Amino acid sequence: DIQMTQSPSSLSASVGDRVTITCRASQNITSYLNWYQHKPGKAPNLLIYAASNLRSGVPSRFSGSGSGTDFTLTVSSLQPEDFATYSCQQSYSTPYTFGQGTKLEIE
Amino acid sequence: QVQLVESGGGLVKPGGSLRLSCVVSGFTFSDYYMSWIRQAPGKGLEWFSYISNSTTYINYARSVEGRFTISRDNARNSLYLQMNSLRAEDTAVYYCARWHYYGSGAPFDYWGEGALVTVSS
Repeated sequence: DIQMTQSPSSLSASVGDRVTITCRASQNITSYLNWYQHKPGKAPNLLIYAASNLRSGVPSRFSGSGSGTDFTLTVSSLQPEDFATYSCQQSYSTPYTFGQGTKLEIE
Repeated sequence: QVQLVESGGGLVKPGGSLRLSCVVSGFTFSDYYMSWIRQAPGKGLEWFSYISNSTTYINYARSVEGRFTISRDNARNSLYLQMNSLRAEDTAVYYCARWHYYGSGAPFDYWGEGALVTVSS
């Protein structure tokens, strides 16, 4: 199985900050890497697909980069609604594994 | 707009069974692969099953293989999950998700809000 490791597991930041979350795959997954945002009691929301493509309707302050084994999600200027948990996920091979999640909290 | 609504969750004893349903709207259900994904308390998301649009292809994670069965009824715009021989470690929120299998990156692009399954005596 491909292991997906995110760092950090939690992050405290303030409105307006720039934050970066890292995701590392245990083997090459080319660009089969997606990022999701989820909040308690809500449906998870796809933000970035294929490593660097912003889903339609997602604010442009979100961006993704990387390929192979190392990927990043960046939020350029945090807004109050961005405080949530973020997870990476690989669709390269089954089982389609997720990272353990990064909880982004208000500082 | 696209909607996925899960139902059928609840409390069940170890060894028991439960059937989840997911009714979708806002897209042509028969065009899409679908998946079930869960999140146990305090844990990350775990994909565990998918089914192709015509039911030709089905896949399970080892954690549920032989105990869970995924199915769909395209005429009813519905996805199902039959869960048997439930264990305490199956306690989780269960999400159905549309899988954009042919899309770039093959993401899960729409999700339901989830159904809570609790396995406890």
